[in-house]
Amino acid sequence: SQTIHQWPATLVQPVGSPLSLECTVEGTSNPNLYWYRQAAGRGLQLLFYSVGIGQISSEVPQNLSASRPQDRQFILSSKKLLLSDSGFYLCAWSSNTEAFFGQGTRLTVV
Amino acid sequence: KQEVTQIPAALSVPEGENLVLNCSFTDSAIYNLQWFRQDPGKGLTSLLLIQSSQREQTSGRLNASLDKSSGRSTLYIAASQPGDSATYLCAVRPTNAGKSTFGDGTTLTVKP
Repeated sequence: SQTIHQWPATLVQPVGSPLSLECTVEGTSNPNLYWYRQAAGRGLQLLFYSVGIGQISSEVPQNLSASRPQDRQFILSSKKLLLSDSGFYLCAWSSNTEAFFGQGTRLTVV
Repeated sequence: KQEVTQIPAALSVPEGENLVLNCSFTDSAIYNLQWFRQDPGKGLTSLLLIQSSQREQTSGRLNASLDKSSGRSTLYIAASQPGDSATYLCAVRPTNAGKSTFGDGTTLTVKP
């Protein structure tokens, strides 16, 4: 069966520090991969999606970047965090039908 | 551009009640619609998936319906329990390879 791993679950980082959130998928090949951010009480904002290794599409301009170094690995990064980067980040993968989500990372920038 | 709306934003019911959550979308040209559950501070768990050719899907006490022509889907929860308390989100996918659009969710509280 397919599983998706996302870590860490929580993270507190100072302003100006770098960020690296990792997401890996097991049990499937060539998945579509996504990074979302969710504001409190709101729906999901798509940040990046990838249809293959090295193929990244950005949905909104921001202080973040994404990379896909391997088929089932998706990384969300920042060189210098801003206070406004605080939020709940979710990784997801989809088949031709359904979408599946990781457990999320609560990022607090202080 | 697809827009997905979920009303109400919050709902509180006593245990045992049957309830309906609503999801509406503006563009009826969809590939499928998926309902998710999200517990506080957690990721999304898929509940039901309805393909565009289907009218409804059932899983246990949950039943999801789809009316593409009117741009609506409902999630029916029978005999609600406190453990059903969570936020429920719907997501509409435009094509098999398209990106889904999510509603903001309905936060359900079932009181014992």
